[in-house]
Amino acid sequence: DTAVSQTPKYLVTQMGNDKSIKCEQNLGHDTMYWYKQDSKKFLKIMFSYNNKELIINETVPNRFSPKSPDKAHLNLHINSLELGDSAVYFCASSQEGLAGGGTGELFFGEGSRLTVL
Amino acid sequence: GENVEQHPSTLSVQEGDSAVIKCTYSDSASNYFPWYKQELGKRPQLIIDIRSNVGEKKDQRIAVTLNKTAKHFSLHITETQPEDSAVYFCAATPFLFSGGYNKLIFGAGTRLAVHP
Repeated sequence: DTAVSQTPKYLVTQMGNDKSIKCEQNLGHDTMYWYKQDSKKFLKIMFSYNNKELIINETVPNRFSPKSPDKAHLNLHINSLELGDSAVYFCASSQEGLAGGGTGELFFGEGSRLTVL
Repeated sequence: GENVEQHPSTLSVQEGDSAVIKCTYSDSASNYFPWYKQELGKRPQLIIDIRSNVGEKKDQRIAVTLNKTAKHFSLHITETQPEDSAVYFCAATPFLFSGGYNKLIFGAGTRLAVHP
């Protein structure tokens, strides 16, 4: 059973196109995240949702729009793709709050490698 | 906001030697410090973590130490094995006091190579 799954795993597209990445978790966690990992392996948080509510929104171009239809799903839509958007995008989830049994551990998906040509 | 610096960026050791990776953080409110291991082409996975009320934590061959006064924490791997080769990330967050929201800020990563 895959805990956090992302699709697609690989995405190759042309500059200017619009693309989406989907993420689902079956861990029953309240919080989900998108992280971007660039070519130098630097992991940077982009967004976080808690029970469908946006709680973290880092300095990310507004071409990136997350959507959480329910607490088990978090999708990422990217408009007008640019060369610099090429990266691996990781979805993650965690259980928040000590009262909720949260440990702080992030469970990552396998990543979606986006290549913009 | 929090800023985490990690050193060294690459580390090469012989099998059986020890490896130490060091991180410093800037936000004195940070109280949760995990370490993640990312093997080539794989997802990051938690290997050990420490909270600010503890100075040291050990799990078999890995240990983490925390110095709150100096705002730095370190990962120690003893008796390294080739399968320890990976990129290791430290991170910090004011998890316990941020309303429960886990805004992990990662260091830049250390690429560890263990040679047989």
